Amino acid sequence: GENVEQHPSTLSVQEGDSAVIKCTYSDSASNYFPWYKQELGKRPQLIIDIRSNVGEKKDQRIAVTLNKTAKHFSLHITETQPEDSAVYFCAAPIWISNFGNEKLTFGTGTRLTIIP
Amino acid sequence: EAQVTQNPRYLITVTGKKLTVTCSQNMNHEYMSWYRQDPGLGLRQIYYSMNVEVTDKGDVPEGYKVSRKEKRNFPLILESPSPNQTSLYFCASSLSPNRADSPLHFGNGTRLTVT
Repeated sequence: GENVEQHPSTLSVQEGDSAVIKCTYSDSASNYFPWYKQELGKRPQLIIDIRSNVGEKKDQRIAVTLNKTAKHFSLHITETQPEDSAVYFCAAPIWISNFGNEKLTFGTGTRLTIIP
Repeated sequence: EAQVTQNPRYLITVTGKKLTVTCSQNMNHEYMSWYRQDPGLGLRQIYYSMNVEVTDKGDVPEGYKVSRKEKRNFPLILESPSPNQTSLYFCASSLSPNRADSPLHFGNGTRLTVT
């Protein structure tokens, strides 16, 4: 079925280095790609998103890139800091053709650890 | 304050005893969804609702029921809970799954243990 795959499942980087998390999606109709951050014991919260009519979006130290042809999008965090340690989820809307509905489907998450 | 409110936050119950986890949002959102979060499996969708009286199964609907009689409420019902339903549950809402100006808002989560 239609799904969203996320890699890697765990990632450790030295403080100050960059981190990259990649997701692939299967539904070519998907047009909105959010990223959520979940700190320990808390709810997931949106940190950045991108629509399919742009290839890149930046917000300070985080950026998201989208390759619609290859059906993948990536989260980039530069100059990582200890507070970036969390679980990150990508997501994409999947159209359910028989009902005309769509649902937001999440990747399996990446546990990012920043090493001081 | 715009929020999604789930209750209870923690629940310990026994196998077979029916329970309901409530979810309410005050943002007039059309789209609501339930997820369960288990280690290594991410956020898996249980049920979702595009609007009042419009609900559909997600990826792991077995053993769960939902209803959407009013726009603001989307309760999750476990008619006969089993130990494999022990998990962390999140309710979430937005105007639509793919509107960039309406991100998905999550509740604080309900940690359910079924013994």
